[in-house]
Amino acid sequence: DTEVTQTPKHLVMGMTNKKSLKCEQHMGHRAMYWYKQKAKKPPELMFVYSYEKLSINESVPSRFSPECPNSSLLNLHLHALQPEDSALYLCASSQENERDYNEQFFGPGTRLTVL
Amino acid sequence: AQSVAQPEDQVNVAEGNPLTVKCTYSVSGNPYLFWYVQYPNRGLQFLLKYITGDNLVKGSYGFEAEFNKSQTSFHLKKPSALVSDSALYFCAVRESTGGFKTIFGAGTRLFVKA
Repeated sequence: DTEVTQTPKHLVMGMTNKKSLKCEQHMGHRAMYWYKQKAKKPPELMFVYSYEKLSINESVPSRFSPECPNSSLLNLHLHALQPEDSALYLCASSQENERDYNEQFFGPGTRLTVL
Repeated sequence: AQSVAQPEDQVNVAEGNPLTVKCTYSVSGNPYLFWYVQYPNRGLQFLLKYITGDNLVKGSYGFEAEFNKSQTSFHLKKPSALVSDSALYFCAVRESTGGFKTIFGAGTRLFVKA
């Protein structure tokens, strides 16, 4: 199984809502990533987990809260978002060795709209 | 600091013709370079990478890339373009000191006309 799955595919939420994005992979990868991508722009790294521990937080606002319950799952909890947070949220995974420079496998993304 | 530049926002090519998508990089150590492709409303797909070794790297779907150290370039090429190659292409570089961070170029939209 060389697939990264993300749910939901689309999400519309108000600024006072709480929602969660989910990501799952069964490739045995121990590094997992969240990216934010605006239209026609490159992905921007938000968080990286390595062996279920937060390795990188790119100064992301606290209204985004990541969670890695186990080696296959990655969540992104959303609370009190702003309309400018509307974007495609991509999850990715890669093998765990930082110095092997392994490629990332991306999920299809969740299209988030904040009203 | 690492960076990549994709000088062309868009590349247009006729089906059957060769295509080139340009990428230049700036790194403080050894470059670790990647190409990814993104189809509409989809995640990115890995095409190929250069870590070390031969300067000509072959990847998925008939794509290849040539690493040129003196010109600090890593251009993506394909001998014969297909309409289905139309997509958004990203060049990327990994931190040479280790770590998980990947820096992506701005992207180049490829249009292949039938």
